[in-house]
Amino acid sequence: SQQGEEDPQALSIQEGENATMNCSYKTSINNLQWYRQNSGRGLVHLILIRSNEREKHSGRLRVTLDTSKKSSSLLITASRAADTASYFCATDPIYNQGGKLIFGQGTELSVKP
Amino acid sequence: NAGVMQNPRHLVRRRGQEARLRCSPMKGHSHVYWYRQLPEEGLKFMVYLQKENIIDESGMPKERFSAEFPKEGPSILRIQQVVRGDSAAYFCASSSGTGAQETQYFGPGTRLLVL
Repeated sequence: SQQGEEDPQALSIQEGENATMNCSYKTSINNLQWYRQNSGRGLVHLILIRSNEREKHSGRLRVTLDTSKKSSSLLITASRAADTASYFCATDPIYNQGGKLIFGQGTELSVKP
Repeated sequence: NAGVMQNPRHLVRRRGQEARLRCSPMKGHSHVYWYRQLPEEGLKFMVYLQKENIIDESGMPKERFSAEFPKEGPSILRIQQVVRGDSAAYFCASSSGTGAQETQYFGPGTRLLVL
């Protein structure tokens, strides 16, 4: 089954609220990455967290990684309408011959003004 | 520094025709990845290439699909005798390496519609 699985599948919040998205995976990883995709567009890289890191921040984004539970979370603080997009986690499994990423199904975030 | 470039952005083909999708990686990147995204789904890995070499094609369908990354020029994903089920967005990504810190940067995608 899919290596990365996000929940919730869809999330609707008001501007100013925080949004939390979770990702679970099955095999050991080198790193985990979060991407954003606006409707009909390409993917924008948000943040990469290595397997030996537990937490990472970038602006309003906070990512945590728990390798014992094989899970990660993405927190967007003080959300804005412009944050409306689909968010995907992607893992780089240890068994990789190269750097192929395994993507989850994504969380569709809607931020209402 | 230009990002990953893909063309065409949109491609319409009739069943049985060929589709050729092009990807120019970011400057200085020698690793190219192709992914496919079906409607309402996440991206699925297809193939990983370095210059003149296919490193991992475990995600490529066994027939009709091929990829190359020549010494000169862009990477090409070729789909022969397209069928309606090939309709999808095809994304290319590039990176400068494959270490634990390597980020893959994605192009805008080519949206293929098979009539």
